[in-house]
Amino acid sequence: GNSVTQMEGPVTLSEEAFLTINCTYTATGYPSLFWYVQYPGEGLQLLLKATKADDKGSNKGFEATYRKETTSFHLEKGSVQVSDSAVYFCALSDSGNTPLVFGKGTRLSVIA
Amino acid sequence: DVKVTQSSRYLVKRTGEKVFLECVQDMDHENMFWYRQDPGLGLRLIYFSYDVKMKEKGDIPEGYSVSREKKERFSLILESASTNQTSMYLCASKKSTGTVETQYFGPGTRLLVL
Repeated sequence: GNSVTQMEGPVTLSEEAFLTINCTYTATGYPSLFWYVQYPGEGLQLLLKATKADDKGSNKGFEATYRKETTSFHLEKGSVQVSDSAVYFCALSDSGNTPLVFGKGTRLSVIA
Repeated sequence: DVKVTQSSRYLVKRTGEKVFLECVQDMDHENMFWYRQDPGLGLRLIYFSYDVKMKEKGDIPEGYSVSREKKERFSLILESASTNQTSMYLCASKKSTGTVETQYFGPGTRLLVL
């Protein structure tokens, strides 16, 4: 079955540091890939997505590129801020009606 | 903007009680989902629904049931709450099209079963 593996946290960075959160997936076919973010006390919200190989999703300074050859969708940001402290989830879906399959989440703490 | 609302942000119940968690979405989405979120386990799918009166089991349906009598509302029912059902419960919805659509989440209900 489909699955998502993301790096375990927690990750602690200083403000303005470079962020990478690794995500790899296993899927039959060609899934769409997502990054969701959960800020403290809130539900999940979509951060970015990519629907086909070599697509790059981007939002709020975050980027992730859909790499079919390495089955990866790593999240990056060049300079993190304290306000980026949250839990980040990588997810995939392989067809229109199927639910998202999530990774276990990575908690990011950014300190000033 | 899509809005998914959940009836309670925090809930405290006793073991053995019947618990209803309500979720409403205002964008005419066909698909609705219930997840639970636990530390170290991420999000796990409990049940989902493709349309009114339809339901499908997710990965961990035991101890839960659902109801979808109207398109906008998807209820999660704990028939007899147990302490191991203490968790954060997240509802989500998405449109049903031929392509993969974004799932939108509610704010979550944090349930404590004593």
